[in-house]
Amino acid sequence: ETGVTQTPRHLVMGMTNKKSLKCEQHLGHNAMYWYKQSAKKPLELMFVYNFKEQTENNSVPSRFSPECPNSSHLFLHLHTLQPEDSALYLCASSQDIAGEQFFGPGTRLTVL
Amino acid sequence: QKEVEQNSGPLSVPEGAIASLNCTYSDRVSQSFFWYRQYSGKSPELIMSIYSNGDKEDGRFTAQLNKASQYVSLLIRDSQPSDSATYLCAVYIQGAQKLVFGQGTRLTINP
Repeated sequence: ETGVTQTPRHLVMGMTNKKSLKCEQHLGHNAMYWYKQSAKKPLELMFVYNFKEQTENNSVPSRFSPECPNSSHLFLHLHTLQPEDSALYLCASSQDIAGEQFFGPGTRLTVL
Repeated sequence: QKEVEQNSGPLSVPEGAIASLNCTYSDRVSQSFFWYRQYSGKSPELIMSIYSNGDKEDGRFTAQLNKASQYVSLLIRDSQPSDSATYLCAVYIQGAQKLVFGQGTRLTINP
């Protein structure tokens, strides 16, 4: 256990559904991240939050909407996804944006 | 040139031998370097961090950093079948202020 939890662990949704992924860190870190990992591709950074402020949006389509209500919680709201969005979505946290990142177990998302 | 490059492998090493994983990076002013291990279907797990030139040892793992050559490596001594995984190199790119991952090297330890 890294101290970063994610729910749900698996999610199957249709293209017209709306769902949310949740991440919580119990490490007292100040920075949180969303990554996407598709088969046979490198980890893709999606969003970075530092002290609850978004500092990075890596050209992510608007059908992905992040929310960071406090430094311990991070959400990824999903809306009108496409089948190519099926992937492992990973949350991570670090003490600061240059520090070691610790990953949650991920949410395996399948879009039908 | 990619910001962080790794040979995707697969790399096959016999049990008990030394596995050597390599990574190059493009940003000359990078200061923070990390190795992660990822088992199939699992999330990445941090195994080593290195910030200064030279070697850093932790059990069977040794990270080596050469900033002049922009090269970081991971050595695994006495390789075990349980070391079979994908190893990700990550470099904090100072200019972009973000951690960039390589594509990973798939390592297989053969009994």
